[in-house]
Amino acid sequence: DAGVIQSPRHEVTEMGQEVTLRCKPISGHNSLFWYRQTMMRGLELLIYFNNNVPIDDSGMPEDRFSAKMPNASFSTLKIQPSEPRDSAVYFCASSSGPWGTNEKLFFGSGTQLSVL
Amino acid sequence: SQKIEQNSEALNIQEGKTATLTCNYTNYSPAYLQWYRQDPGRGPVFLLLIRENEKEKRKERLKVTFDTTLKQSLFHITASQPADSATYLCAPSGANNLFFGTGTRLTVIP
Repeated sequence: DAGVIQSPRHEVTEMGQEVTLRCKPISGHNSLFWYRQTMMRGLELLIYFNNNVPIDDSGMPEDRFSAKMPNASFSTLKIQPSEPRDSAVYFCASSSGPWGTNEKLFFGSGTQLSVL
Repeated sequence: SQKIEQNSEALNIQEGKTATLTCNYTNYSPAYLQWYRQDPGRGPVFLLLIRENEKEKRKERLKVTFDTTLKQSLFHITASQPADSATYLCAPSGANNLFFGTGTRLTVIP
């Protein structure tokens, strides 16, 4: 298996532009997580999907952020409009079981987002 | 709110020694705790999971302890090697949460 695949690897954009990050989870995994990592705050959970349904989006910073999972093999995280404080590494992770079942997470390589 | 503290941002040790990393948590009772390794420019990679009813878990040169009374986990790497240099993240977890600490950056000096 190729693992969790994220694209793009790097994204540089200007403030106010729309940014879309993409994730393909491991085949057969039914839980998907989006995290954001910064030096100051570490890894923060943004949203958790189970069987393509958003279960917990309490970590989504504000209405500028939205996430979708139209099918079991694809998810997007969109920021519109983007701001410099959104600059971070965004990780997607998947697991074979729902939250709380001791299932380990498999992370993608992340998207390094820079908003100028 | 939940709080996770890892003992220090950076830890330097000599090759061959045992590295000990600490993870302390407050304001919740996780059912299990995971440890991950993260290399620069990469996503975290799962290492070990220990449940609340387990005191200790071992895997090759790695050992993890979980003290629910102290609300603390210790992560040991014995006979450390330069290849063990990385950031290590703890994640006390439960039914409705999966939070990560900010990590400890370990450097093993040859």
